[in-house]
Amino acid sequence: DTGVSQDPRHKITKRGQNVTFRCDPISEHNRLYWYRQTLGQGPEFLTYFQNEAQLEKSRLLSDRFSAERPKGSFSTLEIQRTEQGDSAMYLCASSSLPSFSYNEQFFGPGTRLTVL
Amino acid sequence: KNQVEQSPQSLIILEGKNCTLQCNYTVSPFSNLRWYKQDTGRGPVSLTIMTFSENTKSNGRYTATLDADTKQSSLHITASQLSDSASYICVVTHFDRGSTLGRLYFGRGTQLTVWP
Repeated sequence: DTGVSQDPRHKITKRGQNVTFRCDPISEHNRLYWYRQTLGQGPEFLTYFQNEAQLEKSRLLSDRFSAERPKGSFSTLEIQRTEQGDSAMYLCASSSLPSFSYNEQFFGPGTRLTVL
Repeated sequence: KNQVEQSPQSLIILEGKNCTLQCNYTVSPFSNLRWYKQDTGRGPVSLTIMTFSENTKSNGRYTATLDADTKQSSLHITASQLSDSASYICVVTHFDRGSTLGRLYFGRGTQLTVWP
């Protein structure tokens, strides 16, 4: 399978604990995106990398959240001191450098986080 | 404010019937509009993509239409199947002038349930 993969698929943690998620994009894709999706809502943009550079962060990304893409390949998203409001599906997507009109983002299956 | 609104929020139809989902957007400037299908617990999968110059695009039993003047799009599903049960998300891409970053604006989705 050469699509976007995410690990783990499910994570249950206690409030206050730290969690880390991993995303492996499609191998030739330069761009990697993180989104958060709560029940009944569309995905919300969190942050975006072009190669190893983090080019944009949403206001949703509080200082408890940090994302890295150290070698321009896989990425990690860490949440420190988790809160119940962090419970959501965390989606990763990747794309190649886009033409002006088409910016196909391919999504991974997501990591479902539940904070107790 | 750039927004994407979808209706209805949820829809139940019988297997074999047709249905139409609506998407209205205020995103400007508009680059392209995409419909995604998201199965429960999975990442979104692209169904169709249309630029402002296209007003219809088909993918099997899925047909999307776009009216860039009224900023409306619809997704028509013919001869529905049980496997069509999913959330259908309308996504509009916005490009800033002189930028290669495409910002995606997501609707909340229409939850479609197909009953036997």
